[in-house]
Amino acid sequence: GQSLEQPSEVTAVEGAIVQINCTYQTSGFYGLSWYQQHDGGAPTFLSYNALDGLEETGRFSSFLSRSDSYGYLLLQELQMKDSASYFCAGVSNSGYALNFGKGTSLLVTP
Amino acid sequence: EAEVAQSPRYKITEKSQAVAFWCDPISGHATLYWYRQILGQGPELLVQFQDESVVDDSQLPKDRFSAERLKGVDSTLKIQPAELGDSAMYLCASSSPYGTNYGYTFGSGTRLTVV
Repeated sequence: GQSLEQPSEVTAVEGAIVQINCTYQTSGFYGLSWYQQHDGGAPTFLSYNALDGLEETGRFSSFLSRSDSYGYLLLQELQMKDSASYFCAGVSNSGYALNFGKGTSLLVTP
Repeated sequence: EAEVAQSPRYKITEKSQAVAFWCDPISGHATLYWYRQILGQGPELLVQFQDESVVDDSQLPKDRFSAERLKGVDSTLKIQPAELGDSAMYLCASSSPYGTNYGYTFGSGTRLTVV
């Protein structure tokens, strides 16, 4: 099975850049996804890395290094609305199900 | 934008009672997932369907939980009898086999409280 580790909490100032790291130990690892979840809301898809390197989508970027079993989500130009929980999730090569980490709670302060 | 529909949004039930949740995935999405999310933790996969067939139910507590997707469209998750530890958010998600980013669309979930 898959095991993913990420920091439990991160605090950053509005307008700054923050990086949320994710390390994984997997069997059958296919790729790494990132999801955002606001309190009481549903997780929403942010990005997916199948290959090593950086994927950029607007203010959000995600990185994967398979050799290091490591990835990160980079959030730029932080806004108050970015305060939420962020989950890394490993995509299994068997059925392509997602295995989620425990999540990182991001607090953006003025 | 297409959505995954779930009902009810909230459910309070007494322990030992039966409870059921319903999910209608995005039209055309063959793969449907049920996840359980305990407060402060990440979602945990309970069961995965491909059309009407179960692909993975290894984490489903089969002594009390059951799931079905009879016509390969909507799905029902049942708990009988409910226990206090079942209090959680139950999330349904669907995905298209044609995408390359494995992005799921989640429903708004059912918040279950067992008293």
